[in-house]
Amino acid sequence: QLQLQESGPGLVKPSETLFLTCTVSGGSISSSRYFWAWIRQPPGKGLEWIGSISYTGATYYNSSLKSRVTISVDTPKNQISLQLTSVTAADTAVYYCARREVSAFWYFDLWGRGTLITVSS
Amino acid sequence: DIQMTQSPSTLSASVGDRVTITCRAGQSISGWLAWYQQKPGKAPKLLIYKASSLQSGVPSRFSGSGSGTEFTLTISSLQPDDFTTYYCQQYNSSPWTFGQGTKVEIK
Repeated sequence: QLQLQESGPGLVKPSETLFLTCTVSGGSISSSRYFWAWIRQPPGKGLEWIGSISYTGATYYNSSLKSRVTISVDTPKNQISLQLTSVTAADTAVYYCARREVSAFWYFDLWGRGTLITVSS
Repeated sequence: DIQMTQSPSTLSASVGDRVTITCRAGQSISGWLAWYQQKPGKAPKLLIYKASSLQSGVPSRFSGSGSGTEFTLTISSLQPDDFTTYYCQQYNSSPWTFGQGTKVEIK
């Protein structure tokens, strides 16, 4: 059974760059069956799609974050990474990685448990 | 961006009740809508996709309907495990956007 596990620093200072990883177990991230996504949820608020990456490495970003976001894959480590630059308090959120099946259009059928990132000095 | 608006924000109901949550899109999204259930401290769980298709393993008391701009999620008989928060998500056009959530609480 494929599982997703996010990891990150927990606390990031304003203006710094946030790095998160999502480790995929039970399957290969290079499978042509899946795309991968990062989605976040500020405390007490709704969900925001950040961006996605395909098995070919093609990336798709939310226009509201595009200038600050980079999503990449590390195939040998079976990981998906998120880099978010120039963070502010508004970037405080639980960050989830999620899976989209290629055949299933753009909804997300499997999610990690999320990792809380707090931006504070 | 397509704005998704859920109503009500909070719904009070009892075990066994039939409840309906509405999700309205700012423009037509055809049938490209998903519903998720999220319990506190947990990741969202996919319930419904393509407006009315039940995800594998989801109880049949959950159903979805609608097209265009108005959609509903119905729980035919509320169970104790169902008292939590529900989100809709459109995937008609990027960026994929979510509703603000509907919390189903015990009356």
